[in-house]
Amino acid sequence: SQKIEQNSEALNIQEGKTATLTCNYTNYSPAYLQWYRQDPGRGPVFLLLIRENEKEKRKERLKVTFDTTLKQSLFHITASQPADSATYLCAPDTDSNYQLIWGAGTKLIIKP
Amino acid sequence: DSGVTQTPKHLITATGQRVTLRCSPRSGDLSVYWYQQSLDQGLQFLIQYYNGEERAKGNILERFSAQQFPDLHSELNLSSLELGDSALYFCASSGGLSGYNEQFFGPGTRLTVL
Repeated sequence: SQKIEQNSEALNIQEGKTATLTCNYTNYSPAYLQWYRQDPGRGPVFLLLIRENEKEKRKERLKVTFDTTLKQSLFHITASQPADSATYLCAPDTDSNYQLIWGAGTKLIIKP
Repeated sequence: DSGVTQTPKHLITATGQRVTLRCSPRSGDLSVYWYQQSLDQGLQFLIQYYNGEERAKGNILERFSAQQFPDLHSELNLSSLELGDSALYFCASSGGLSGYNEQFFGPGTRLTVL
């Protein structure tokens, strides 16, 4: 069955450094993948979408890569700030294309 | 503000009871999704409606049902509630049918079953 894995442990990063989060998928090949940010007690907020034929996508300090060989997407935040502290969710599409599979999320903590 | 509204914000009820959660999508969005998020758990997709019709079903229990009305608002009905149903319930909307479209999430309804 289709499976999504994100770092289950919280990621602690020093302010100003680059944070890199990993999303691995198995048993299928998604056509695209979305990344969302979720703050405690609030709904997720869309950040970026990357298609399988795009190796990299950027938005301000955010960068997402999509490696179909490794079956992995990496999410980078450069020049990280304490305000970037949140849980980040990856969500690839499913075979049905009507819905997304949601990863459990990685909690990112940026220390001043 | 995502433009998606959910009511009520909080709901406290007892086991065995039935509740209705309401969602109004962003103006113009035809798709509505319902999700459940238990404490420290990931988002669990429950069900999707598109323009009034059920389009996809996830891990939705038989005790749960949903519908989307002609004005596109949606309701999620939870019955015979159990302690394990306590969770945050999110509604999201998007402009299209497929998962390709970004989803806009509401603020959620926090359900506590005592």
